[in-house]
Amino acid sequence: DTGVSQDPRHKITKRGQNVTFRCDPISEHNRLYWYRQTLGQGPEFLTYFQNEAQLEKSRLLSDRFSAERPKGSFSTLEIQRTEQGDSAMYLCASSPSSLTEAFFGQGTRLTVV
Amino acid sequence: AQSVTQLGSHVSVSEGALVLLRCNYSSSVPPYLFWYVQYPNQGLQLLLKYTSAATLVKGINGFEAEFKKSETSFHLTKPSAHMSDAAEYFCAVSDGSNDYKLSFGAGTTVTVRA
Repeated sequence: DTGVSQDPRHKITKRGQNVTFRCDPISEHNRLYWYRQTLGQGPEFLTYFQNEAQLEKSRLLSDRFSAERPKGSFSTLEIQRTEQGDSAMYLCASSPSSLTEAFFGQGTRLTVV
Repeated sequence: AQSVTQLGSHVSVSEGALVLLRCNYSSSVPPYLFWYVQYPNQGLQLLLKYTSAATLVKGINGFEAEFKKSETSFHLTKPSAHMSDAAEYFCAVSDGSNDYKLSFGAGTTVTVRA
């Protein structure tokens, strides 16, 4: 068990480009969460999966954002037509249904130039 | 809806001194409360959690926190600061329902003076 893995760790993209991030949760964790953290702030909830079902999306998740978790394993977060305001650290976390706390990955830092 | 407020965005302590980080919460249901630590360019690591059992919770690295319902507080303490405690600390709350999604405070950055 190597913990929650996120790829890439860093991404620099030009405004208007699409980007996709990947999260591999801890094996057999059926819950998976995405959070966004901007500089000087705490993480903010974006969306949550129970197995392959996306159960909740924050109003922060505009139409340009889409998340998937096919087969209930890894998850991807795609941002279309990136804007400078999308620059942030995107954190993924997972947990088994029997535990209250989530285990976080190291995050993907996105810079939109 | 749940929320947390962390009092003080920066705390500076001397090595060996008491570390005290303040967190107040707002919740319409009995809360689950957490403290996480984040080192630069890293994810979050759980220090400790309160889930309606003992009100004094002991965590890793010598940290502990006390849940006080009357004060809606969950302050984090460590008796003696170490240089390695320099990091950012986040208090978080969930409503203990099936999803356990977290609402985080804005964070407190701790610096430790030699």
